[in-house]
Amino acid sequence: SQTIHQWPATLVQPVGSPLSLECTVEGTSNPNLYWYRQAAGRGLQLLFYSVGIGQISSEVPQNLSASRPQDRQFILSSKKLLLSDSGFYLCAWSTGTDFSYEQYFGPGTRLTVT
Amino acid sequence: GNSVTQMEGPVTLSEEAFLTINCTYTATGYPSLFWYVQYPGEGLQLLLKATKADDKGSNKGFEATYRKETTSFHLEKGSVQVSDSAVYFCALSGPGNTPLVFGKGTRLSVIA
Repeated sequence: SQTIHQWPATLVQPVGSPLSLECTVEGTSNPNLYWYRQAAGRGLQLLFYSVGIGQISSEVPQNLSASRPQDRQFILSSKKLLLSDSGFYLCAWSTGTDFSYEQYFGPGTRLTVT
Repeated sequence: GNSVTQMEGPVTLSEEAFLTINCTYTATGYPSLFWYVQYPGEGLQLLLKATKADDKGSNKGFEATYRKETTSFHLEKGSVQVSDSAVYFCALSGPGNTPLVFGKGTRLSVIA
């Protein structure tokens, strides 16, 4: 069966510090991968998605970047965090080349920028 | 583009009450429709889905029917429990080959 992992689970970082969040998927090949952010009490904001190694689509221009160095690994990064980067970050995957299939979400990383 | 509108929350119900969370959509073509649930501090879990008109998705006592004529996919449950307290998201597949589009979520609180 497929599983998705995210780490760390929680993170407290000062303003201006770098960020690296990691997501890995097991049990599937060539998944579509996604990063979302959820601000407190708000809905989901799609940040990035990827259909393959090195292929990244950005949905919202901002202080973050994403990379996919391996088929089942998706990394979210920032060089300098802002207070507004605080939130709950969710990674998700879906199968195949068709985006109409359901997405499966990881447990999330709660980031607090102080 | 495709979009989803969910009823504003929060929704507060007593245990064993009937639940309806409204979801309507705007889409080109024939999108797939989904309901996700998010328990406190966790990621989203797929609750149910429907891929064509008149399909009924069901799981854990929840159900929703794909109504093309009213462009709706309302979530229902006959008797809610305290453990159903969560945020519920309606979603649909995007236009062309683009990722799922999510609604803003509806928070449900069930009190004993």
